[in-house]
Parts: sequence; structure tokens; C-alpha cells
Amino acid sequence: EIVLTQSPGTLSLSPGERATLSCRASQSVSSTYLAWYQQKPGQAPRLLIYGASSRATGIPDRFSGSGSGTDFTLTISRLEPEDFAVYFCQQYGSSPPFTFGPGTKVDIK
Amino acid sequence: EVQLVESGGGSVQPGGSLRLSCAASGFTFRSRDMNWVRQAPGKGLEWVSYISSTGGIIYHADSVKGRFGISRDNAENSLFLQMNSLRAEDTAVYYCVGCGNGYGFDYWGQGTLVTVSS
Repeated sequence: EIVLTQSPGTLSLSPGERATLSCRASQSVSSTYLAWYQQKPGQAPRLLIYGASSRATGIPDRFSGSGSGTDFTLTISRLEPEDFAVYFCQQYGSSPPFTFGPGTKVDIK
Repeated sequence: EVQLVESGGGSVQPGGSLRLSCAASGFTFRSRDMNWVRQAPGKGLEWVSYISSTGGIIYHADSVKGRFGISRDNAENSLFLQMNSLRAEDTAVYYCVGCGNGYGFDYWGQGTLVTVSS
């Protein structure tokens, strides 16, 4: 089973600042099958990034994903008030389990 | 508009059973692989089960293998999760989730809460 680790656990930033979130895998993950999700309190998760770097439909271009192998990054170039949330990475490769990372909370400083 | 509406959650005693349903609309359900993903209160996301578009391929997480069964009815645009031998650690919000080949888990329902407690 591929284990995903996310860092930091919590990121305290101000609106307008840049956010850099890390996701590290216990073994190599095909870039095709690495995704990022945003979840706000009381809501279902929302797909932001798939294939490590492709934005999902309707996702603003301030969100970008990068990385390969075991190290992946989600960057929010300039935080908007609605971006303060929890972010999860996930690998959904050719065989299960389709594991999620524990999440990074981005909160207002 | 894509809609996934879960139902069937509720409170049950340990050892009991529940059957979750998910009604899909706004997309071609029979073409989509589907999943159940759960989230325990205040915790992260856990993938539970997967079923291919035709129903021919099924996977379950080790934590539910032998106790849960995923199925679908493409004629009725519905997904199901039969949960047996429920345990306290199965307490969670259960999400019905669609995925496209290589496109991540892009369609999410709002979830249904399952509480297992005596």
C-alpha cells in the first residue's frame, strides 16, 4: 500500500500570500494518478488537480500542481478568502487501495 | 448539472447492517467508474470501495473486505453499498464518488452519516 504524507499539518497565512503544500509518497506514484482536493467545513471534497498538474473544470489558475515520483506540490499563488480550507492529496493508480494523505489545513494568520 | 444523492445512513448497533444508496443524474452513469469514500468525524478521507462502469471489477479496502459489498444498477442510475457486521470504527460520513479514467475523483455527493453505537 502506498502511504501519503502531507506537510505541514497546518499552514497559517494571510490573504494574498503564496501557499505551498507538500505530498510525499512511500513509493513512486505515476503522475497520471495523483490528485489534490479541497474540503471546506460541512462540505464534500472538491477535485482541484488531477494527473499531478492538470486543473479540474472550473478551478482558478491560482491553483497549480507539480511533482513526480514520490514528491508532489500544490501551490496557491495568491490566497483568496475562500481558499482557507483543508487540502488532501490522493493517489488513484492502477490498483487499489486509492489512498489519501492526512491533509493540510490552510488557515488565516 | 451533476448530482449524486446518498441515502440510507442512520444509527445502528454494532454487528448490524445498513444499505446505502446513491442516485446519480446529470451525467452518463453507465460510463463512470464509481466509489464509496468515507470520513470519520474530524478525520481524513478513506477510500472504501470501487466498482467499474460495467460492474465487472470490484475492489474493497482491507478494513471492510468481507463485510461490505458494492454494487450498481446502470438501468436505474444507482450505486449501492451493503454494509454488514458494522463496527464502531465504521462510523463516518459516506460519500458516493464518481471517477474518470485518469481524471481523479471528480463527482462527489454530499454524503450520508452512518453511526455505529450501542
